[in-house]
Amino acid sequence: RKEVEQDPGPFNVPEGATVAFNCTYSNSASQSFFWYRQDCRKEPKLLMSVYSSGNEDGRFTAQLNRASQYISLLIRDSKLSDSATYLCVVSRGYSSASKIIFGSGTRLSIRP
Amino acid sequence: EAGVVQSPRYKIIEKKQPVAFWCNPISGHNTLYWYLQNLGQGPELLIRYENEEAVDDSQLPKDRFSAERLKGVDSTLKIQPAELGDSAVYLCASSLGRSSEAFFGQGTRLTVV
Repeated sequence: RKEVEQDPGPFNVPEGATVAFNCTYSNSASQSFFWYRQDCRKEPKLLMSVYSSGNEDGRFTAQLNRASQYISLLIRDSKLSDSATYLCVVSRGYSSASKIIFGSGTRLSIRP
Repeated sequence: EAGVVQSPRYKIIEKKQPVAFWCNPISGHNTLYWYLQNLGQGPELLIRYENEEAVDDSQLPKDRFSAERLKGVDSTLKIQPAELGDSAVYLCASSLGRSSEAFFGQGTRLTVV
């Protein structure tokens, strides 16, 4: 079992729809959580950090559920430009042995 | 502000040949990462530096891969000899600290033929 797991998709949704992804992690010592976005043949870029209290940035909402060990990303009113791969990132952080683990990504395609 | 700079962008080599990649992190970032990304997969950490010290190289295949970070700034990643399975994108990233946002370079796309 991978330490960070994501549904690879692809998710194919119409413009304007709401779409949500989950990401599960297996190590309960994980401390920091992020969502990155990666466009085709481009480098990953930070979309948002995920805080225990949840985090909202415009149409994007990220939440953390420590008890069930998953994070989620919700995209409202999706745009064509949201088409990309969304990578879940988990870090144990705070120690020299910290690990930064990327999920394999969830592909999202928004259709007109 | 300049981002993470990597070179070359593309490299095609024959198997068994050596290859080297270079990374210049964002100024002031003391944490530097090298990742390998295969098609359809997320980046996999090869090595992480805190300043000039390699603090996590458990995933680096040390029989053929080596890395260095001189003076805690620029870094090079070397493969010798390269194998067909090494074809991938090699990404360099830097951050202010290990729990901070990581900024990625555009990567080096390596093709071993």
